[in-house]
Amino acid sequence: RKEVEQDPGPFNVPEGATVAFNCTYSNSASQSFFWYRQDCRKEPKLLMSVYSSGNEDGRFTAQLNRASQYISLLIRDSKLSDSATYLCVVSLEAGGSYIPTFGRGTSLIVHP
Amino acid sequence: DAGVTQSPTHLIKTRGQQVTLRCSPKSGHDTVSWYQQALGQGPQFIFQYYEEEERQRGNFPDRFSGHQFPNYSSELNVNALLLGDSALYLCASSTGTGNPYEQYFGPGTRLTVT
Repeated sequence: RKEVEQDPGPFNVPEGATVAFNCTYSNSASQSFFWYRQDCRKEPKLLMSVYSSGNEDGRFTAQLNRASQYISLLIRDSKLSDSATYLCVVSLEAGGSYIPTFGRGTSLIVHP
Repeated sequence: DAGVTQSPTHLIKTRGQQVTLRCSPKSGHDTVSWYQQALGQGPQFIFQYYEEEERQRGNFPDRFSGHQFPNYSSELNVNALLLGDSALYLCASSTGTGNPYEQYFGPGTRLTVT
């Protein structure tokens, strides 16, 4: 099992739709969780952090489910500009310290 | 407010050569991390520098080494290049006192090894 897993997609949705992605992780002791967005041939950009109590920023909601070891990202009222790859990053233990471990990303395509 | 800058943007090397990539962090940031991103994959953590020392390291061989300078800029060196080292190399900066996962990435250096 990969340490951080994401469905690569693509998720193909119409404008205005609600879409959700999950990211599963292998280490129950992980403490830090974030979502990044990466446009084609560009660098990743920080989207939002994921707290135990959940986190909402406009149309975006991030949730953490420690029992099932996954984080989620919900996008409401999708816009064309939301088309991108969404990367999760989780702190995973390696050699006695925790290092940031990215998933391979989930591709989202929002069409008119 | 200057963001993270990296140089060069593209580089072509042959197997066995050595390469040096450079990064300047975002203004106010003192921590630099390096990542390798292969096509279709997420960034893979190479190492992180803080106070001119390697603070953390991912699962990369010793051929990958780095340095951080007193002005917080950083270099990534790769020796004895392999075809498999072809990738986008990303630098990310953060603050040493904040959450290191709140990072700002540079545009990357695309390395092609032939």
